Amino acid sequence: DAKTTQPPSMDCAEGRAANLPCNHSTISGNEYVYWYRQIHSQGPQYIIHGLKNNETNEMASLIITEDRKSSTLILPHATLRDTAVYYCIVRVPNFGNEKLTFGTGTRLTIIP
Amino acid sequence: NAGVTQTPKFRILKIGQSMTLQCTQDMNHNYMYWYRQDPGMGLKLIYYSVGAGITDKGEVPNGYNVSRSTTEDFPLRLELAAPSQTSVYFCASSTLQGAREQYFGPGTRLTVT
Repeated sequence: DAKTTQPPSMDCAEGRAANLPCNHSTISGNEYVYWYRQIHSQGPQYIIHGLKNNETNEMASLIITEDRKSSTLILPHATLRDTAVYYCIVRVPNFGNEKLTFGTGTRLTIIP
Repeated sequence: NAGVTQTPKFRILKIGQSMTLQCTQDMNHNYMYWYRQDPGMGLKLIYYSVGAGITDKGEVPNGYNVSRSTTEDFPLRLELAAPSQTSVYFCASSTLQGAREQYFGPGTRLTVT
């Protein structure tokens, strides 16, 4: 699986959009980009994934650059409950490649 | 849908005791997983299952056993608990096709003393 690089921490004002970047310059053509988050002491929560196109769901939007070497997770109207560690993961969902490898992630703090 | 549920939420075991951590999912997912997370660390895969009757080892299987008799349930058994098994245990599930994103349960916090 490709390696990812994320900033260790970010702050965002409540109500504003939180934009979390992720660099995955060695991504291969069949690797998906996934975003998860872990709120303190809770189980990791799946947010969104994408392969080539931008994606949006009820939680967030995922913008993937045309060369696929980086992506941005956007939380459009951040709330205090969005304070968490956010993980960008790149992997091929193949048989035999089962585990999710969570790196150090970005600790996002929403400021009231 | 309740998603992935785990019981118990907390448990304290004495060294040498045994216990079973329960995991149930109601999303009809084929894949199920057990991870452990030590304080300040990432998740490590213990065991996984691709369907009823099929299980396989992850990266840290020693000291654990699993079974998968139904699609919904994937219990994790600890035999002869040791202090090194003090951790938070997460169960997850995913579909068989597509991106196979994983959905996690709330976790079981286990202390072995």
